[in-house]
Amino acid sequence: DTGVSQDPRHKITKRGQNVTFRCDPISEHNRLYWYRQTLGQGPEFLTYFQNEAQLEKSRLLSDRFSAERPKGSFSTLEIQRTEQGDSAMYLCASSPRTFMNTEAFFGQGTRLTVV
Amino acid sequence: SQQGEEDPQALSIQEGENATMNCSYKTSINNLQWYRQNSGRGLVHLILIRSNEREKHSGRLRVTLDTSKKSSSLLITASRAADTASYFCATDLSSGNTPLVFGKGTRLSVIA
Repeated sequence: DTGVSQDPRHKITKRGQNVTFRCDPISEHNRLYWYRQTLGQGPEFLTYFQNEAQLEKSRLLSDRFSAERPKGSFSTLEIQRTEQGDSAMYLCASSPRTFMNTEAFFGQGTRLTVV
Repeated sequence: SQQGEEDPQALSIQEGENATMNCSYKTSINNLQWYRQNSGRGLVHLILIRSNEREKHSGRLRVTLDTSKKSSSLLITASRAADTASYFCATDLSSGNTPLVFGKGTRLSVIA
């Protein structure tokens, strides 16, 4: 297993277009997280899944954002009608979330630029 | 909102010196974790310290945790130019099924 992978690594889109990002977590991890990070800031939580169930969504996640994890494996994050303020690095992480170990393993991120 | 606050925001040191970064948080935690991020890349987990631990070591890293003061420190000894990165603390809250909450980070520059 090569870790958490995200696709694409970079995305440039015009304002108003829809974009979709994919995350493949480490296979045995039941937790999957999405974070957003802007320049000079720490990662901000967006949403997370326990297997296929979406357990929590941040208030940052407007109704233009939707995330799925249909079979408890890979996840997609879709942004509809993109705005310039959506430009950021979108990070995916997975975790085994056992009682003893809640370390998160991050992918390399998808950098979104909305022009 | 961000639970953790790192201090300082930026730190510049000479190679071979020690670097100390601090993190303060607001609510009870299960554990506190430190991550490193090279420019434009994903985060890499460095070390996890549980709420009942006071100090932990991993190679050149030393982490302390003071739950009474709700603070932690990360010490990197004998720094190298390759340690140049941003360092984030992340708190795993006691309230159950919550995600890791990250601070804004300390940007460390190690000058050769």
